Amino acid sequence: DAMVIQNPRYQVTQFGKPVTLSCSQTLNHNVMYWYQQKSSQAPKLLFHYYDKDFNNEADTPDNFQSRRPNTSFCFLDIRSPGLGDAAMYLCATSRDGTPFQDTQYFGPGTRLTVL
Amino acid sequence: AQSVSQHNHHVILSEAASLELGCNYSYGGTVNLFWYVQYPGQHLQLLLKYFSGDPLVKGIKGFEAEFIKSKFSFNLRKPSVQWSDTAEYFCAVTPGEYGNKLVFGAGTILRVKS
Repeated sequence: DAMVIQNPRYQVTQFGKPVTLSCSQTLNHNVMYWYQQKSSQAPKLLFHYYDKDFNNEADTPDNFQSRRPNTSFCFLDIRSPGLGDAAMYLCATSRDGTPFQDTQYFGPGTRLTVL
Repeated sequence: AQSVSQHNHHVILSEAASLELGCNYSYGGTVNLFWYVQYPGQHLQLLLKYFSGDPLVKGIKGFEAEFIKSKFSFNLRKPSVQWSDTAEYFCAVTPGEYGNKLVFGAGTILRVKS
């Protein structure tokens, strides 16, 4: 089945130690998104790629970076994780990002714990 | 601030009870509207969506939602819930002026007692 895959499902890191989360998709979608979801809160968009064009949300901290080496893969890098970065990180994809026509499909998420 | 509001954070119902979860948004202009569901331990799944046309939208598993533009609302309904509907439900909006950005409500946790 075509899907959005995230690895690992659970990630534990130490305060200040860089960590990379991975997302891949078999849907051949042009757009890939990263959301942060803290406990009991709504998912919040961090950034998205439209093809190779990177779009950062204005309030996304500089500590968060992303890479998209090809259509299928997208990575979330947290350069120096703090305790406040502990959250579920959700990857989503959509076909072409056309407003009023497009739907986002989500992966299972990676739960990040910062010690 | 512009936002998406879900009225209840926790709802507890008995099986066969009717369900209505409220969702209001504060964006003007054209919007896309979605309800996503997250079953325990699973990923966010699309329940239904509204882009245009008939404001009464039917989704999977017997859910439906009604878009009332004058009230900026998109409430989710199900006539008779089952124990397997226990999950967290998120309303989400794509405000047209923000491209395809999804803005989520805080979610409603539904527990259905068997």
